[in-house]
Amino acid sequence: AAGVIQSPRHLIKEKRETATLKCYPIPRHDTVYWYQQGPGQDPQFLISFYEKMQSDKGSIPDRFSAQQFSDYHSELNMSSLELGDSALYFCASSLVAGGYNEQFFGPGTRLTVL
Amino acid sequence: GENVEQHPSTLSVQEGDSAVIKCTYSDSASNYFPWYKQELGKRPQLIIDIRSNVGEKKDQRIAVTLNKTAKHFSLHITETQPEDSAVYFCAALISGGYQKVTFGIGTKLQVIP
Repeated sequence: AAGVIQSPRHLIKEKRETATLKCYPIPRHDTVYWYQQGPGQDPQFLISFYEKMQSDKGSIPDRFSAQQFSDYHSELNMSSLELGDSALYFCASSLVAGGYNEQFFGPGTRLTVL
Repeated sequence: GENVEQHPSTLSVQEGDSAVIKCTYSDSASNYFPWYKQELGKRPQLIIDIRSNVGEKKDQRIAVTLNKTAKHFSLHITETQPEDSAVYFCAALISGGYQKVTFGIGTKLQVIP
């Protein structure tokens, strides 16, 4: 079965640079969620999109932005990167229209800011 | 918003013993309680879930119980094996919407061979 795809899997950036993370949800899923997980921490919710509209917002810094495109893939744009942005970024998708909210996670993108 | 508390934060058991992880939630409207297992460096994976219309659910060696009145739910793993070693996260949310998953802090389970 198709799973959530994230790219890239690993990314190394310098401070103050920008990064773009991509997420391709499971086919026919209508909702995408972004999470940030620091070392030894639980995943923290950043932002979500339902049918291409922002549906919820969590602890996402103003330096970050995200959107969901017509094909339902989503991109997380991160600017003015800081050392503290180094983390594992997970994307998850779900089918909300079907009445379920089970979220399936992608493999994650490990971002390292030097 | 929802607040989920989870304990213990670490748990060591001998292989073959049982492990129990407990969580409490704050929002009485929550009706869906998934449990995720996260192995080192990998994604959280859903291992079992329970909805508020049942009190217990079992899948082989894993079971989850829910007490809606007390707003707590627990994960039980029996006959633990070394491959059960991982971090386990509980969560509580309202099913049917696009509500984010609010995780507990996680429990690092170590099964000692």
